[in-house]
Amino acid sequence: AAGVIQSPRHLIKEKRETATLKCYPIPRHDTVYWYQQGPGQDPQFLISFYEKMQSDKGSIPDRFSAQQFSDYHSELNMSSLELGDSALYFCASSLGSGLGQNRYEQYFGPGTRLTVT
Amino acid sequence: AQSVTQLDSQVPVFEEAPVELRCNYSSSVSVYLFWYVQYPNQGLQLLLKYLSGSTLVESINGFEAEFNKSQTSFHLRKPSVHISDTAEYFCAVSLLSGSRLTFGEGTQLTVNP
Repeated sequence: AAGVIQSPRHLIKEKRETATLKCYPIPRHDTVYWYQQGPGQDPQFLISFYEKMQSDKGSIPDRFSAQQFSDYHSELNMSSLELGDSALYFCASSLGSGLGQNRYEQYFGPGTRLTVT
Repeated sequence: AQSVTQLDSQVPVFEEAPVELRCNYSSSVSVYLFWYVQYPNQGLQLLLKYLSGSTLVESINGFEAEFNKSQTSFHLRKPSVHISDTAEYFCAVSLLSGSRLTFGEGTQLTVNP
């Protein structure tokens, strides 16, 4: 079965540079979530989108922005990168508009490992 | 706001021994509860979930978790672990369908031969 696709898998950037992370949800999934997992830490929610509209916002820095496109893929744009932004960034998707219990399940991608030097 | 506490950061066990990974949550409203597993350098995989109904939920690979409302707990158990169960396990809660997951700090389960 198709899973959540994230690209790139690894990214190395220097301080003050910008980065764009992409997420392709499972086909027919209409909700996308972004999480940040620092080294040895639990995933922290950043932001989510439902039907191309921002549905929730967590601890996302103002330097970051995200959007969901008409084909439901999402991009996380990160500017003025700092050393502390080095982390694993996960995208998850769900069928928010679905019926039954499947709409409660978030399916995670493999993550993008961002290293800021 | 909801929060999740995993009481053990590391749990080492021998193969074929039973294991319990503890999870407690705090919330002023009803929550949905999840256990996710993360193998090294991989994403998070849903292990099992409690939404409603029977308080004991099971996964296909022998794990089970019991929702205890009075103790606000959702402990994960397996009667006999395998080396392949070595991974990081995260307990998580959400308030509504489609809402953010709040994770615990994770428990590293290491199964030794």
